[in-house]
Amino acid sequence: GAGVSQSPSNKVTEKGKDVELRCDPISGHTALYWYRQSLGQGLEFLIYFQGNSAPDKSGLPSDRFSAERTGGSVSTLTIQRTQQEDSAVYLCASSLGSDYSVHEQFFGPGTRLTVL
Amino acid sequence: GDSVTQMEGPVTLSEEAFLTINCTYTATGYPSLFWYVQYPGEGLQLLLKATKADDKGSNKGFEATYRKETTSFHLEKGSVQVSDSAVYFCALSDPYSGAGSYQLTFGKGTKLSVIP
Repeated sequence: GAGVSQSPSNKVTEKGKDVELRCDPISGHTALYWYRQSLGQGLEFLIYFQGNSAPDKSGLPSDRFSAERTGGSVSTLTIQRTQQEDSAVYLCASSLGSDYSVHEQFFGPGTRLTVL
Repeated sequence: GDSVTQMEGPVTLSEEAFLTINCTYTATGYPSLFWYVQYPGEGLQLLLKATKADDKGSNKGFEATYRKETTSFHLEKGSVQVSDSAVYFCALSDPYSGAGSYQLTFGKGTKLSVIP
């Protein structure tokens, strides 16, 4: 079956512009995560959605970052007024649920964001 | 907060050599432990996992044992192949840390290169 897909695969933008990154999770997966992979910081958790519950936003680095998940499926990560330090690979993952025994996360290929 | 420390790379080995990548962790609760692998040009994939003390995760000839007494989860393989060249990430998930979600906390990653 189809895995997690992300678009675009690459995004180049100018400092100060807004960007939107999209994630399509595996069908039937209720949990969705965003992570950021950068050279200096490694892999960092950003935000987590589980069903209709309020998202866990504890990893968002600033209020320029936001995310939504519509209809419990597709998610969009928005970065406003991008800065050069936002350059990174943004990874999305999904899992069947938050049950302790089935929370293997499946990762998408990522979106490489470059802020000039 | 929770953290994962893994040995710095890069690691270069000859084919059929023995591999060990050290990983230690600190966690508030009783975490599950994971090794993820990222092959060149591909997304993160789960390699193996262990959910309780003394569990051994294994896959593709790789093994790691959950050692609660030493808070470690070292990755080993008896005979590496060129196709094992990749970046390896140790990670934990600690749903009892108080954050209420199952995000993964990753180590910095260890790049392995296997030469013929």
